[in-house]
Amino acid sequence: EGQLVESGGDVVQPGGSLRLSCTASGISLEDYTMHWVRQAPGKGVEWVSLINWDGGRTHYADSVKGRFSLSRDNGKNSLYLQMNSLRAEDTALYYCAKEKLDYDSSPYDLWGQGTLVTVSS
Amino acid sequence: DIQMTQSPSTLSASVGDRVTITCRASQSISSWLAWYQQKPGKAPKLVIYKASTLESGVPSRFSGSGSGTEFTLTISSLQPDDFATYYCQQYNSYFAFGPGTKVEIK
Repeated sequence: EGQLVESGGDVVQPGGSLRLSCTASGISLEDYTMHWVRQAPGKGVEWVSLINWDGGRTHYADSVKGRFSLSRDNGKNSLYLQMNSLRAEDTALYYCAKEKLDYDSSPYDLWGQGTLVTVSS
Repeated sequence: DIQMTQSPSTLSASVGDRVTITCRASQSISSWLAWYQQKPGKAPKLVIYKASTLESGVPSRFSGSGSGTEFTLTISSLQPDDFATYYCQQYNSYFAFGPGTKVEIK
C-alpha cells in the first residue's frame, strides 16, 4: 500500500506565503484526482482544493479561492499547494488525500500524516 | 454549494450499544456519500462510501444507509476501538464534509 508524505508547513506571518508539497511512494498518483483537506486545531475537517489527474482542472473552496493555487508533477509523483496572502484562519494541519477511484469522483482511500501551517505575527 | 449537517454533535455511549449518526445534505446528493472515522492525532479513515458500501477491512458492525438528502451511519455493537469522531462527506458536487460527530465513552 502506498504512502503520502506532506511537507512545507511552517510558521508564517499574516500576508505571507508558503508552498506545501505532497509526495507519494509505493503508488503512482498520475491517474488520480488529488485533494488537500485541512483541520484547524480542535476543529473539524474542511475540504480545500482538488486537482485532476493531468492538472487541467482545479477547484477551490470559497475560503481560499484567489489565494491558493494547486499544481502537480506526475513525473515526480507529487503535488504542490501554493498558499498566498495567508490569514490567521488558515492555521491548520493540511492533509493531502488520494481519491479511491481513477474515474468519476470518489472519496479518499489514502491520506498523508499532515503538515502544520501556523499563521501568526 | 452543498452544505452538510450531522447530528448529534456528541454522542455518549457504552461498549455494546447500538449507535446511529445522522447526516443531512442541503440538496439531493443521490448516494454519493462517504463516512470517515478519525482518532486523535490521526488522519481520517474511510469507513463507508456510496452511502452503504463498506470499505475493505472495515468491521461488519458498521453499516450505512440513505439516499437523497438523509443518511445514517450505524454501529451495531460499539467496541472500544470505535470511540472516535465520525465525518460524512458528499462527493456529488465537488466535495464537502459535515461538522463531525464525536462518539465518547459514557
